[in-house]
Amino acid sequence: QVQLVQSGAEVKKPGASVKVSCKASGYTFTSYGISWVRQAPGQGLEWMGWISAYNGNTNYAQKLQGRVTMTTDTSTSTAYMELRSLRSDDTAVYYCAREVVGATGNWFDPWGQGTLVTVSS
Amino acid sequence: QSVLTQPPSASGTPGQRVTISCSGSSSNIGSNTVNWYQQLPGTAPKLLIYSNNQRPSGVPDRFSGSKSGTSASLAISGLQSEDEADYYCAAWDDSLNGHWVFGGGTKLTVL
Repeated sequence: QVQLVQSGAEVKKPGASVKVSCKASGYTFTSYGISWVRQAPGQGLEWMGWISAYNGNTNYAQKLQGRVTMTTDTSTSTAYMELRSLRSDDTAVYYCAREVVGATGNWFDPWGQGTLVTVSS
Repeated sequence: QSVLTQPPSASGTPGQRVTISCSGSSSNIGSNTVNWYQQLPGTAPKLLIYSNNQRPSGVPDRFSGSKSGTSASLAISGLQSEDEADYYCAAWDDSLNGHWVFGGGTKLTVL
């Protein structure tokens, strides 16, 4: 079955960086893009950006430009999201999701299980 | 504040029909399809409805979606206790080089 498995929880100090991984299985990795979405405690969903697993093209959310980098390793079918200069308001659960391209629009399916990143001094 | 507007809460009794609205603008819902995600407590979001009104395999036909103009709705009929969850609408927004936007989420309580 199609599955995305993410790396474990992280605790970081303000100003540090974090790199979250997302390992895909059950489908041809390079045929889909991966989006990253985060959810602060008790809050809604926020799209962070997208990477094509085919050619590495990216599209980042404007508010994260300059602090986020998304990459893929096609040899291991793994996507990565690195966020730098962490602040306390970056504390959130980070999800990866496969972006499916449909005839009339795209959607996210499935999602990874989520990775809690806590930023605290 | 989220780009798409949803009511923060909704409720119903078992067997009832409830609807959740999602309001946007011409750059998102007005020109692109809407998806709905269900997030059960403590779990990752799950695709519920895609392309306005399509159900993935395995999603009961009690769930249905619709879109008109710059608004969309999710309807749940024959409400069940296991439907208690947070529901999010999402759409592609054509502004700022394009990006995904979400609603703030609606917490559905089954009374």
